Amino acid sequence: QVQLVESGGGAVQPGRSLTLSCVASAFNFNLYGMHWVRQSPNKGLEWVAVISYDGRNRFYADSVQGRFTISRDNSRNTLYLQMNSLTTEDTALYYCASDLYSKSSWGVFEYWGQGTPVSVSS
Amino acid sequence: TVLAQFPGTLSVSPGESATLSCRASHTVTNNYLAWYQQKPGQAPRLLFYGASSRAVGIPDRFSASGSGTDFTLTISRLEPEDFAVYFCQKYSALPPWTFGQGTKVEIK
Repeated sequence: QVQLVESGGGAVQPGRSLTLSCVASAFNFNLYGMHWVRQSPNKGLEWVAVISYDGRNRFYADSVQGRFTISRDNSRNTLYLQMNSLTTEDTALYYCASDLYSKSSWGVFEYWGQGTPVSVSS
Repeated sequence: TVLAQFPGTLSVSPGESATLSCRASHTVTNNYLAWYQQKPGQAPRLLFYGASSRAVGIPDRFSASGSGTDFTLTISRLEPEDFAVYFCQKYSALPPWTFGQGTKVEIK
C-alpha cells in the first residue's frame, strides 16, 4: 500500500532553518504532484507548497513565499521542504501529500504521511 | 475563497445520521470541493472530491452533495469509527487551496 514517511522535524529557534523529507513507497511517485500541508491549532489545515510531477513547476502559499523551497528527487522517491528564516508562526505538524490526479496538481490530497512536527521558539 | 463549516461540533448517537455543511464565500468553480476525515493522531483522509465523487474505499454510508456555494456531507447510520473531525476544501487548477475550519462529530 502507498506509504509516505516524513522526517526532519524538530525544535528550532526563530530565524533558523530546517529541511523536511518525505519518502514515498508503493507509489508511482514520478507521476504525481506533491504537496506540503501543515496543521496547527491556531490556523488549522494550511496548504504550504506544491511541486509538479516533473519538478518544473512550484507554487507556494503567500505565508512562506521566499522562505521555503520545495524540491523532489524522483530517482529517490523523495520530496523535500527547505525552510529558512523560520518564525513562531511556522510551528505546526507538517504533512506531505500526493495529488489525486497524475501529471497535474489540482490540490486534491489523496495520500498523506503521518506528519513531522516543527516547533519554532526561542 | 473562505470556507465556513457548521456546526462547529455535532453531537450524534451511534446509528443516527449526521449532516455537515460547508459554505463558500464565492462560487466554487465546477464544484471543485473535497471533504476529508481526520481522526485523533491521524492524518486527514480524502472522502470526496468534485463535491460528490467518493474516494476509493469510502463506505457508501457517506454521501456528499452541493453546488455553487453550499455543500453538504451526510453520514448515515454513524459507526463508532465515524466520530472524527471533517474538513471541506476548495481546489482548482492553480493554488492557493484552502480548507474550512472543520466540524467535529462527537458521540452524544
